[in-house]
Amino acid sequence: AQSVTQLGSHVSVSEGALVLLRCNYSSSVPPYLFWYVQYPNQGLQLLLKYTSAATLVKGINGFEAEFKKSETSFHLTKPSAHMSDAAEYFCAVSRMDSSYKLIFGSGTRLLVRP
Amino acid sequence: NAGVMQNPRHLVRRRGQEARLRCSPMKGHSHVYWYRQLPEEGLKFMVYLQKENIIDESGMPKERFSAEFPKEGPSILRIQQVVRGDSAAYFCASSPTTGVLDEQFFGPGTRLTVL
Repeated sequence: AQSVTQLGSHVSVSEGALVLLRCNYSSSVPPYLFWYVQYPNQGLQLLLKYTSAATLVKGINGFEAEFKKSETSFHLTKPSAHMSDAAEYFCAVSRMDSSYKLIFGSGTRLLVRP
Repeated sequence: NAGVMQNPRHLVRRRGQEARLRCSPMKGHSHVYWYRQLPEEGLKFMVYLQKENIIDESGMPKERFSAEFPKEGPSILRIQQVVRGDSAAYFCASSPTTGVLDEQFFGPGTRLTVL
């Protein structure tokens, strides 16, 4: 069975600092991997996705993530945090044979300090 | 183009009552997905529907829960005889097709509270 683990339910960074949100997955078959962001009282918005092409994936708002098969990881990074990045971030995985069925981690709330 | 619409945004029910959650997909989208988010947990897949068809309901509880996506009108997630454990945020998503290259667009969710 597939699963997603997000280390750290809360991450706090200073404005301008590096953002690193961790995601590890388990999957018996090559997965598709996603990062979503949720702002308060809004739906989830796709930041980026890995679909077996380039292992370094660039997304919106300056975020990127690297697929590392040997580490079963898909960590999300951004070089310089902005106050507007404060939100909850979800990592998700799906299988090729049922790609519509997203399996989410429990989320990481990013706090950005001025 | 309006996004995915869900209503109501907040719903309060007493134990034993019925809850009906509505989802209007984005224009041109014929695929709808429902997810449930329990407190402090990630979203969990419940059901995938196309117009008038349930494609995958593997995440739906066996009893009290049902979903439909009629030819006309919104998709409905119905919970009969609600219990306190049903309190959660219910999210609907839609996509134009079901390929992995097609993003699922999420609505803002319905927060269900069962007293």
